[in-house]
Amino acid sequence: EVQLVESGGGLVQPGGSLRLSCAASGFTLSTYSMNWVRQAPGKGLEWISYISGSGDIIYYADSVKGRFTISRDNAKSSLFLQMDSLRAEDTAFYFCARVRGTMVTQEIDYWGPGILVTVSS
Amino acid sequence: QSVLTQPPSVSGAPGQRVTISCTGSSSNIGAGYDVHWYQHLPGTAPKLLIYANTYRPSGVPDRFSGSKSGTSASLAITGLQAEDEADYYCQSYDSSLSGSVFGGGTKLTVL
Repeated sequence: EVQLVESGGGLVQPGGSLRLSCAASGFTLSTYSMNWVRQAPGKGLEWISYISGSGDIIYYADSVKGRFTISRDNAKSSLFLQMDSLRAEDTAFYFCARVRGTMVTQEIDYWGPGILVTVSS
Repeated sequence: QSVLTQPPSVSGAPGQRVTISCTGSSSNIGAGYDVHWYQHLPGTAPKLLIYANTYRPSGVPDRFSGSKSGTSASLAITGLQAEDEADYYCQSYDSSLSGSVFGGGTKLTVL
């Protein structure tokens, strides 16, 4: 059974940093590209980052480019999101998501339950 | 403001048919990029309903169907059931943004 479980969320002050992790099980992580998607309170889904199976192709949404860094450790079946220079508008549930296809054709066939990140003083 | 435009809400009685539209532009849906649809119950993981415009993953009832034409796509749900009450999102790729984009979401209410 495919499972994705996020961890590392919580409360952080504006300007601070946080590192999210996603533990993958039930499949071979290296054979899939992965996304991070977020949902701010009362808002819709927002794609924020993509990484290919080998980690050599990476994309970011403009809203997080230069502040967030996606990475993966296939040997440990883990996906990461390093979030720096956090702003109040980054407050959201963050979802780890498995991608089928390429960055262009992608659909997300499995999602984690999500983890809350709150940026507030 | 989402790149893909969905109606904020739709509603229907049990057994009825509803459609949810997803309107884009020449840099996303109109450029031929695939549209995917998700069902999301707040507090849970979203679920893939339709991929590549018209295909259903195994386990998704055939009451759900997708279509695409020009710069728009639609999700149709027939034989509405109470359990269908959820938020629905479309997704595609946008070449101007060089990224994946979601619609703003549509809340389906089963009356």
